[in-house]
Amino acid sequence: DAKTTQPPSMDCAEGRAANLPCNHSTISGNEYVYWYRQIHSQGPQYIIHGLKNNETNEMASLIITEDRKSSTLILPHATLRDTAVYYCIVRVAGGGSQGNLIFGKGTKLSVKP
Amino acid sequence: DTAVSQTPKYLVTQMGNDKSIKCEQNLGHDTMYWYKQDSKKFLKIMFSYNNKELIINETVPNRFSPKSPDKAHLNLHINSLELGDSAVYFCASSSQAGGPSEQYFGPGTRLTVT
Repeated sequence: DAKTTQPPSMDCAEGRAANLPCNHSTISGNEYVYWYRQIHSQGPQYIIHGLKNNETNEMASLIITEDRKSSTLILPHATLRDTAVYYCIVRVAGGGSQGNLIFGKGTKLSVKP
Repeated sequence: DTAVSQTPKYLVTQMGNDKSIKCEQNLGHDTMYWYKQDSKKFLKIMFSYNNKELIINETVPNRFSPKSPDKAHLNLHINSLELGDSAVYFCASSSQAGGPSEQYFGPGTRLTVT
């Protein structure tokens, strides 16, 4: 079972920031927070990951609370092509089944013109 | 250049048949995976291979068998296909088994069993 909780759906206006929340209250100290997205009928796409500190790359920013029990993925300027299901996943950095990506239901983000 | 490719993209077959789905990655990764996405859109890992060794084998029927001829390929063989096997199958790869590195996914193979 997924160890994260996300809202099932969200809307965002095109050009505005999209803030996608994720709760992972049972996260362990050695678990990373990963974000992937799946655009309709395509394979999942990696977005970003982090352990403790906030992270930013060309796609998004990841804000992790100090207690690490929740995080927010920020798409700074959402476009119509960002419409997708976004998955928040916690995962250890180790081998074997503990390192699996366990996908939950995710958040379906709809970016509207 | 396609990083992770799968063939075929679509596969329609009858119950009882045996079929294979091929996956190739040109990223130089040492770990490859197979995932199944069912009609309810849940993505579940099936297998992973690291340097030709099966390191994760989730509770999938033994009708499913991954075969890796080399580090760049992980094929999925399915025997005696059943209606419930209809799904989209995704291949993925990463640079380190279980490490913090991200996984790259292929475009998927939509399998329909009639």
